[in-house]
Amino acid sequence: GQNIDQPTEMTATEGAIVQINCTYQTSGFNGLFWYQQHAGEAPTFLSYNVLDGLEEKGRFSSFLSRSKGYSYLLLKELQMKDSASYLCAFMDSNYQLIWGAGTKLIIKP
Amino acid sequence: IAGITQAPTSQILAAGRRMTLRCTQDMRHNAMYWYRQDLGLGLRLIHYSNTAGTTGKGEVPDGYSVSRANTDDFPLTLASAVPSQTSVYFCASSTGQGPYNEQFFGPGTRLTVL
Repeated sequence: GQNIDQPTEMTATEGAIVQINCTYQTSGFNGLFWYQQHAGEAPTFLSYNVLDGLEEKGRFSSFLSRSKGYSYLLLKELQMKDSASYLCAFMDSNYQLIWGAGTKLIIKP
Repeated sequence: IAGITQAPTSQILAAGRRMTLRCTQDMRHNAMYWYRQDLGLGLRLIHYSNTAGTTGKGEVPDGYSVSRANTDDFPLTLASAVPSQTSVYFCASSTGQGPYNEQFFGPGTRLTVL
């Protein structure tokens, strides 16, 4: 079967670093996506990993380990505007995205 | 138009009524998708289309139908709405199907079925 899991909610302090984990199980894998979704808005693309390792994009980085079925999103120098839900999704063998329920990130001043 | 638009923004509908949610994109993307998003659950795929003239069923297709007469439009129809179809519906598109193809989302339609 297929499944994907991420924490429901996390809290962090402005200016700090936070790591949001995502674990998945699937027999067919074509990459892992991270999206950001502010309350009441549409998801927007953050990153895509298909090979093992770390991809860095400004304050955001994403890591993938295919052998462990594990990814994380790292957010540095947190800003209040980073308060949002972060969705991870893997692409299965049919090229469909299987989505986690999202991690709500609360940033405190 | 820039990107993907959806209409209506929100709707309250009586159970048993027929409803069509509209989705239009101007990016000339081949693939389009309809998802529903419910509290505590991940986005769930309802139907998809890899290219104009073709459609496929996703994870939760029952009670919904779609058509793809051209590249730009991908309407979703609820033939006879039921309260369990109360949800936020997102339309999305991508250049194609396959790895590296990120999906772009419309602003969503909030539907309440009473």
